[in-house]
Amino acid sequence: AQSVTQLGSHVSVSEGALVLLRCNYSSSVPPYLFWYVQYPNQGLQLLLKYTSAATLVKGINGFEAEFKKSETSFHLTKPSAHMSDAAEYFCAVSGSGNTGKLIFGQGTTLQVKP
Amino acid sequence: NAGVTQTPKFRILKIGQSMTLQCTQDMNHNYMYWYRQDPGMGLKLIYYSVGAGITDKGEVPNGYNVSRSTTEDFPLRLELAAPSQTSVYFCASTLQGRNYGYTFGSGTRLTVV
Repeated sequence: AQSVTQLGSHVSVSEGALVLLRCNYSSSVPPYLFWYVQYPNQGLQLLLKYTSAATLVKGINGFEAEFKKSETSFHLTKPSAHMSDAAEYFCAVSGSGNTGKLIFGQGTTLQVKP
Repeated sequence: NAGVTQTPKFRILKIGQSMTLQCTQDMNHNYMYWYRQDPGMGLKLIYYSVGAGITDKGEVPNGYNVSRSTTEDFPLRLELAAPSQTSVYFCASTLQGRNYGYTFGSGTRLTVV
């Protein structure tokens, strides 16, 4: 079975500081991994995805994530936080089979302080 | 290109009432999903469909029903609303398979009183 754990329900950084949002996964099959962002009162938007190609994945808005099989991790980073990055972030792993089902983590709210 | 459209955006229901949450997509995606989002719980899958005429239960299907008569539409039916169904509901679609990301609708915020 697949599962996702996001470490830290709330993360607070200063504007310009490094953003690090942690995600660990469990999967019985080679995983496909995703990060989504949700701005207040909106739907979720795909930030980036890992689908077994390069282990370092670059996404939109300057975010990137690195797939580390040995650590079963897929942490999201951004070198310099911007006020507009304040949002909720979700890590997700694709379920087994070809149904496209995603299993989501609990979410991490990112606060960016001026 | 509208993407995934959900209606209504907000709704208040009384206990025992019924309603249908509408979801339509114009991207010719085969796969569609309904999730509910509760604070601190992430998103939980209610039902999904891999094509017209094919639906299956997700993690939390009790109290809900779906149908998929066309590729475009995937309505979610609540028959007897209960306070536990107070949540934000998201519809999503993808072309096919495990390696495509979802396109999400903007959500329906439902309150059952």
